[in-house]
Amino acid sequence: AQKVTQAQTEISVVEKEDVTLDCVYETRDTTYYLFWYKQPPSGELVFLIRRNSFDEQNEISGRYSWNFQKSTSSFNFTITASQVVDSAVYFCAHTDTGRRALTFGSGTRLQVQP
Amino acid sequence: DTEVTQTPKHLVMGMTNKKSLKCEQHMGHRAMYWYKQKAKKPPELMFVYSYEKLSINESVPSRFSPECPNSSLLNLHLHALQPEDSALYLCASSRRASDFGNTEAFFGQGTRLTVV
Repeated sequence: AQKVTQAQTEISVVEKEDVTLDCVYETRDTTYYLFWYKQPPSGELVFLIRRNSFDEQNEISGRYSWNFQKSTSSFNFTITASQVVDSAVYFCAHTDTGRRALTFGSGTRLQVQP
Repeated sequence: DTEVTQTPKHLVMGMTNKKSLKCEQHMGHRAMYWYKQKAKKPPELMFVYSYEKLSINESVPSRFSPECPNSSLLNLHLHALQPEDSALYLCASSRRASDFGNTEAFFGQGTRLTVV
């Protein structure tokens, strides 16, 4: 069965600090997809990134970067120079070709203090 | 337009009421989803519609009745709910369910439902 673990329940940092959110997944499938979503207090889930199991390239988008490592079954997310607007709950999610819907990790609440 | 619109944003209903949640998207997506999210928990899948047909029902109680009248619209009819059904109900859409992993799902802001 698929499983996504986000061991960090809550992280608090001061603005401009770097912060890494951890995500560990379990799957028996060779083809699978990993996602990160951000959920601000307003409630909607905002898509951040998608990765498939054949693409281990790391990605950088502005202050955001993602490190996908199949050897450790991890897909970690780093925010560089955090800002107050980054405060939200961040979910790592997983799917495979059979499931056809997202299975979410438990989420990490990030609080960035000014 | 990459928007999924959900109405109402907030809903308070009694246990004997019948109400409906509405979700609309105009992105041409052919897969639509209902998720339920309790406070401080991740979203949990309830239903998946693919090409207006129900393709996944995650053993949801029959007091929740989904409906997909057309490719842009998804409803969730509520009847005889319990207080423990109070949650944020999120709608999402994606291009197709069949290649779900190759595309992202877009979520609405949700309906915060309180059952009294």
